[in-house]
This record gives sequence, C-alpha cells and structure tokens, in this order.
Amino acid sequence: DTAVSQTPKYLVTQMGNDKSIKCEQNLGHDTMYWYKQDSKKFLKIMFSYNNKELIINETVPNRFSPKSPDKAHLNLHINSLELGDSAVYFCASSQDRSENTQYFGPGTRLTVL
Amino acid sequence: QQQVKQSPQSLIVQKGGISIINCAYENTAFDYFPWYQQFPGKGPALLIAIRPDVSEKKEGRFTISFNKSAKQFSLHIMDSQPGDSATYFCADPNAGGTSYGKLTFGQGTILTVHP
Repeated sequence: DTAVSQTPKYLVTQMGNDKSIKCEQNLGHDTMYWYKQDSKKFLKIMFSYNNKELIINETVPNRFSPKSPDKAHLNLHINSLELGDSAVYFCASSQDRSENTQYFGPGTRLTVL
Repeated sequence: QQQVKQSPQSLIVQKGGISIINCAYENTAFDYFPWYQQFPGKGPALLIAIRPDVSEKKEGRFTISFNKSAKQFSLHIMDSQPGDSATYFCADPNAGGTSYGKLTFGQGTILTVHP
C-alpha cells in the first residue's frame, strides 16, 4: 500500500499554463507538506498544513496555492508557470506538527518549456 | 534563505569502507535530528534520527553521533555497500526558527560506493 502518493509523476507543460499536482496520504497523519527540489537537489519546504490549516508558508510566489480539502489530501496549484518552476515537487506527511519524521511521496517532476 | 551546512558534497568510497558525512547545527531547542536517504527518482526516506541528549545512535551499519562542542552531527556508514549509493540529507528542525515540523535540509551528499 502506498503511504504518500502523488499524481502525476511527470508533468511537461508550456510557460504561462496553470497546472495542479495532487497528493494523498493514507497514514492517518495530521500534517502535510510541499517541498521543492531543484536541479542541485536542494530540498526546500514550501507549505505545510496541519489538519487542513496552513501553518507554514515560506517565501513562495503567490502563483503557488496549496489546497487541503481534508487532512488526507494536499494539492498544489500553480498559475502562470515559469521556466524557473521546473523542479521535482515532493509531498510529505507527518503524524502531527511537532513530529520531525516526515514521509515523502515519490515526487512530481515538473518541466516547463 | 536558511541553509544547513552539510559536507562533503560528494563522496566516493570503496566497498567495505567507511562513509562519513557531517552536518552543522544551530541549537538543540527541538529534539530530533534526522538523516534522510534518497535514491534516484525516489522521494527522501528517513534513515536514522537522534535526540541531542544521546551522544550516539546505531542502527545496523548506520551510526549518528553528536559533537556538541563543534555543534556538529555526523552519519557514519560502516562496511559501505554499492546499494548504499544515494544522496544523503541531514535536517535541522531548529534552523527555521520556532515553526514546528519545519525541517531545514542540508545541501545533500552524493555517495558513490564502488564495488
């Protein structure tokens, strides 16, 4: 059984388009995260939700909007895609906001042409 | 942007050798320092973690140790195997301030173990 799943695995799109990445966890965790990993493998947190409430919002362009319909799902919508948005996006979850053991999904490789 | 200093950036080791990766931390306000392992095309996975009130933790061939005077924690991989070839990340739960659950990752170390 997949603990943290993301769709799609690969996403290739043109500059200026709007796209979404979906994430689901079946671990019963309260907290979910979005990370961006760039071409140098640097892993940086973007957002975190605890029980559908936004608790971490890093300096991310407002073209990025997370949405958590319930505590098992955290989606990422990106408007007006730019070349610099090309990266691998990882969803993760943890038991709660104080728990540093985070379980990562397989990633979504976004390529903006 | 807050970063955690991790070294070396890359490491090549012969099979059976010891791999050592170091990370500098800021403080120990939060109490759980994890190391993550990432294989190509996969997400990071928790490898081992340690509390700062423990000087060393061993799980199989993997050991984390704290050097409080140097404000450093290290990952040692004993008897390194080709299957250990991956990117390793330390994470500091304190580097980002007081946000719970906010892990600031090191830059990563690409480990290659030659057969």
